[in-house]
Amino acid sequence: GESVGLHLPTLSVQEGDNSIINCAYSNSASDYFIWYKQESGKGPQFIIDIRSNMDKRQGQRVTVLLNKTVKHLSLQIAATQPGDSAVYFCAENGETSGSRLTFGEGTQLTVNP
Amino acid sequence: KAGVTQTPRYLIKTRGQQVTLSCSPISGHRSVSWYQQTPGQGLQFLFEYFSETQRNKGNFPGRFSGRQFSNSRSEMNVSTLELGDSALYLCASSYTEGGYEQYFGPGTRLTVT
Repeated sequence: GESVGLHLPTLSVQEGDNSIINCAYSNSASDYFIWYKQESGKGPQFIIDIRSNMDKRQGQRVTVLLNKTVKHLSLQIAATQPGDSAVYFCAENGETSGSRLTFGEGTQLTVNP
Repeated sequence: KAGVTQTPRYLIKTRGQQVTLSCSPISGHRSVSWYQQTPGQGLQFLFEYFSETQRNKGNFPGRFSGRQFSNSRSEMNVSTLELGDSALYLCASSYTEGGYEQYFGPGTRLTVT
């Protein structure tokens, strides 16, 4: 029968490779974007954020790129490790939406040893 | 600094019952937001409280309600439970309103039978 559930895009990489996870957002008025990592059975974990007045921000092993022209956000993970395996969500906080975060559908990252 | 805590972690209820979930934000955080996560709908915003006032509300029926106390702790209540209310309920806290730097708790897994 037909399965009901959220179909997550998937990304499979080898340990040590760099990973790039992409996200398209919808609200051109969004002024703030966040990436979260969610492991099975846990709540989303804050990774990195970026404001709309920036196009790049770096953290520890992670870089977020923002392209406002095409409303695209990406998360780059350097030297991916097995512990990076999780679902990654981008979220936007549209200027008109107050404190609500609107989440993307998520990407399942699998890191193969 | 302790993270966001949610109680209980797991809950099983029957249709028609009501349930109250609790969230304690990170110390010093005054904004608490609630989200529902299901495989079919992903992460959806329920409501946000700041300084004991509801600041924003998502598209959920009136059976879903919440409140915030003077110590910033928050509760959400779901009355007349339906099977479709089975989900992971996540609480996120931040220092200010606006959705900036929201940190999530581990969630409460609610199963309605």
